[in-house]
Amino acid sequence: EPEVTQTPSHQVTQMGQEVILRCVPISNHLYFYWYRQILGQKVEFLVSFYNNEISEKSEIFDDQFSVERPDGSNFTLKIRSTKLEDSAMYFCASSPGLAASYEQYFGPGTRLTVT
Amino acid sequence: GENVEQHPSTLSVQEGDSAVIKCTYSDSASNYFPWYKQELGKRPQLIIDIRSNVGEKKDQRIAVTLNKTAKHFSLHITETQPEDSAVYFCAASRGPMNRDDKIIFGKGTRLHILP
Repeated sequence: EPEVTQTPSHQVTQMGQEVILRCVPISNHLYFYWYRQILGQKVEFLVSFYNNEISEKSEIFDDQFSVERPDGSNFTLKIRSTKLEDSAMYFCASSPGLAASYEQYFGPGTRLTVT
Repeated sequence: GENVEQHPSTLSVQEGDSAVIKCTYSDSASNYFPWYKQELGKRPQLIIDIRSNVGEKKDQRIAVTLNKTAKHFSLHITETQPEDSAVYFCAASRGPMNRDDKIIFGKGTRLHILP
């Protein structure tokens, strides 16, 4: 069964550095998402992406964040200047965007540690 | 803004007994209600979902009920087993084909199955 994949599984970075988290959504899916989960807390929506543009973003997704679909398979989340509070698990998700399938398929996550 | 409240935050039940987790949501436009099981360090795993045109859905030992009028939905796990121990999240979404189809998660319920 096709799955969403994410790399790296764990990223350690210093405060102020840029990081890029990578995701490969399921190949025939049209909608893409990033969520984050601070340790011990709930999963929070960051951004959704469709047709090569952002559909919606949350208050968390400020000017330090950006997303890109550089080619036909990858979907990336960039944090320009990381802060300690960006430490979290970041999940990518994709969905086919069909009325018959409401499910968003989550990747295994990238654990980001900012020191 | 949109919000999902979840109770209880922690639940301990004897193996073989039933567990019930309750949620409420604020967005009247929500029409998709997934439930996720999350084990430590893993992705949220969809265990069952329900759409707003259905009041109840069952899959083996798991059942969900939805009361759209009251904006309440619940997860019932019967004949609990040790492997049911995990964190469970309820969630709500407006569903696909919407520009605003983000999933809003509850804060989670840590379920302990006691031997």
